[in-house]
Amino acid sequence: QVQLRESGPGLVKPSETLSLTCTVSGDSVSSTSYYWSWIRQPPGKGLEWIGNIYYSGSTNYNPSLKSPVTISVDASKNQFSLTVHSVTAADTAVYYCARDGHTYGHWFDSWGQGTLVTVSS
Amino acid sequence: DIVMTQSPDSLAVSLGERATINCKSSQSVLYSSNNKNYLAWYQQKPGQPPKLLIYWASTRESGVPDRFSGSGSGTDFTLTISSLQAEDVAVYSCQQYYNTPYTFGQGTKLEIK
Repeated sequence: QVQLRESGPGLVKPSETLSLTCTVSGDSVSSTSYYWSWIRQPPGKGLEWIGNIYYSGSTNYNPSLKSPVTISVDASKNQFSLTVHSVTAADTAVYYCARDGHTYGHWFDSWGQGTLVTVSS
Repeated sequence: DIVMTQSPDSLAVSLGERATINCKSSQSVLYSSNNKNYLAWYQQKPGQPPKLLIYWASTRESGVPDRFSGSGSGTDFTLTISSLQAEDVAVYSCQQYYNTPYTFGQGTKLEIK
């Protein structure tokens, strides 16, 4: 059974960089069957897809995001990561990593528990 | 971007009664080449991540009780819970995966009347 776990700082100052890592167990980020996604949820609001990555390093990002983001993968550690640059208060959210279907369709069938990131000085 | 709009925003239903949640997309999510609707439904309980319930608009994920069903095509979709149980209290969200960026509805909060 696949499990995902997010890790990273819970508090980031405005204009700084947010970095989160998702550690995967029970599956491989090198799988050719799946993409790996980051999704966030501001407090009391709906879900927002940030972007995803394939084992090859191919990425897709949500162009609606105001802060620049980068997603990378480290197959040796079975992890993928999110970097959000120049954060603002609008980036305050629970951040989830999720497995994202590729062969079949891009629904999210496994999620991490989520990690709350607050942007504040 | 495809905008997903759910109705109602909140809903209170008696135990054992039917609950119906609607989701409308700003453009069709039906892919003509395979006749599949690129739409999923999720359940999110407080303090938990979303849980996949349905994909391809009407296919239940493994382990999801059969009281949950999805229907609709094109731009209009419905999630139905045939007989509400106490453990179904949650926020339900639809998601389109027809194209990127993948987008979600704002969520519908389901409570017990």
